[in-house]
Amino acid sequence: DAKTTQPPSMDCAEGRAANLPCNHSTISGNEYVYWYRQIHSQGPQYIIHGLKNNETNEMASLIITEDRKSSTLILPHATLRDTAVYYCIAEMDSSYKLIFGSGTRLLVRP
Amino acid sequence: EAQVTQNPRYLITVTGKKLTVTCSQNMNHEYMSWYRQDPGLGLRQIYYSMNVEVTDKGDVPEGYKVSRKEKRNFPLILESPSPNQTSLYFCASSQLRTVSSYNEQFFGPGTRLTVL
Repeated sequence: DAKTTQPPSMDCAEGRAANLPCNHSTISGNEYVYWYRQIHSQGPQYIIHGLKNNETNEMASLIITEDRKSSTLILPHATLRDTAVYYCIAEMDSSYKLIFGSGTRLLVRP
Repeated sequence: EAQVTQNPRYLITVTGKKLTVTCSQNMNHEYMSWYRQDPGLGLRQIYYSMNVEVTDKGDVPEGYKVSRKEKRNFPLILESPSPNQTSLYFCASSQLRTVSSYNEQFFGPGTRLTVL
């Protein structure tokens, strides 16, 4: 699985968009990009995933660059409950193991 | 409600006293897995199971055992716990991937274990 690199911490104001970047320059053609988050020692929670195209669901949007070397998770209107550690994971479609890096600690300010 | 449950949620024990952490899921998932989370080391996979009676080692299996006698249950067994197994443990499950599915794993609430 490709290694991912994320900034250790970020912050944003409540109600504003939170844009969390992730670099995965060694990603291979069959590796998906998954995002999970972990709120204060709770179990990680799936957010979204993508392969090539941009994706959107009720929680977030995922923008993947054309060369697939990086992606951005967008929380369009961050709330205080979005304060968490966000993990970007590159995972082969034939694998089930999730390799969690150190993630980005997002602090949403009132 | 679809969920993964773990018991106990908190446990303090002493070195060498056998313990079992239970994990159960109600989503009929084939795949189940155990992770441990330690400060500075992130989440690391201990064991996983692709289906009933099929288990395999993850990245840090030493000192742990698992069993998968039923599809819904995947207990983690520490035969002789040691202080270096003090950690936060998570169980996870997912369906096996098909053409139309993806690897959304559902995690339990965690078990905080302290071994004195």
